[in-house]
Amino acid sequence: QVQLQESGPGLVKPSETLSLTCAVSGYSISSGYYWGWIRQPPGKGLEWIGSIYHSGSNYYSPSLKSRVTISVDTSKNQFSLKLNSVTAADTAMYYCARCFGGGGPRWYFDLWGRGTLVTVSS
Amino acid sequence: QSVLTQPPSVSAAPGQKVTISCSGSSSNIGNTYVSWYQQLPGTAPKLLIYDNDERPSGIPDRFSGSKSGTSATLGITGLQTGDEADYYCGTWDPSLSAVVFGGGTRLTVL
Repeated sequence: QVQLQESGPGLVKPSETLSLTCAVSGYSISSGYYWGWIRQPPGKGLEWIGSIYHSGSNYYSPSLKSRVTISVDTSKNQFSLKLNSVTAADTAMYYCARCFGGGGPRWYFDLWGRGTLVTVSS
Repeated sequence: QSVLTQPPSVSAAPGQKVTISCSGSSSNIGNTYVSWYQQLPGTAPKLLIYDNDERPSGIPDRFSGSKSGTSATLGITGLQTGDEADYYCGTWDPSLSAVVFGGGTRLTVL
């Protein structure tokens, strides 16, 4: 059974860097699929942040691209998100997910982690 | 303002059928495949439909998807109180080089 688990600080100060990790179990990241991050501000809808392949090929949301880095560590079977210069607007539930896609016309998220709430506040 | 447009809410009685629309453009839905997600209160989204009309293993056939032109529709028959959730459509937008979601639709089973 494939499972994804997010981890990282639940509180980040404004202007600092948000760092999260998604540990994957039951499936080797190197076997395929893209792996991505999606966030959801409290009471609002879903926002895609970006996705990465095990080779390092990645896609980022144009609105976040200047502040986002997604990386993959195949030796630990996990991938990570860094979002710098955060503000209160970055407060959200952050989900990691397995993605079928890669810039083509078919793209969907078939497995999701439970999510981790990150609050940006001093 | 979401790239894909969904009605904020829909409602229907138990046992009835409901449809949720997702409107896009030729830049996204018109030339790509649509997926649908169910988010029960306090939980992570769950894939309901992919490739416009395909159901993942374990999703009951009460849930169906369709696409026509630049719009997609999620249908749910035999409504149950356990179907009360937020539903999101999503797709790839080549013009933005981005995955885009609808704003979400809250389903209430009266």
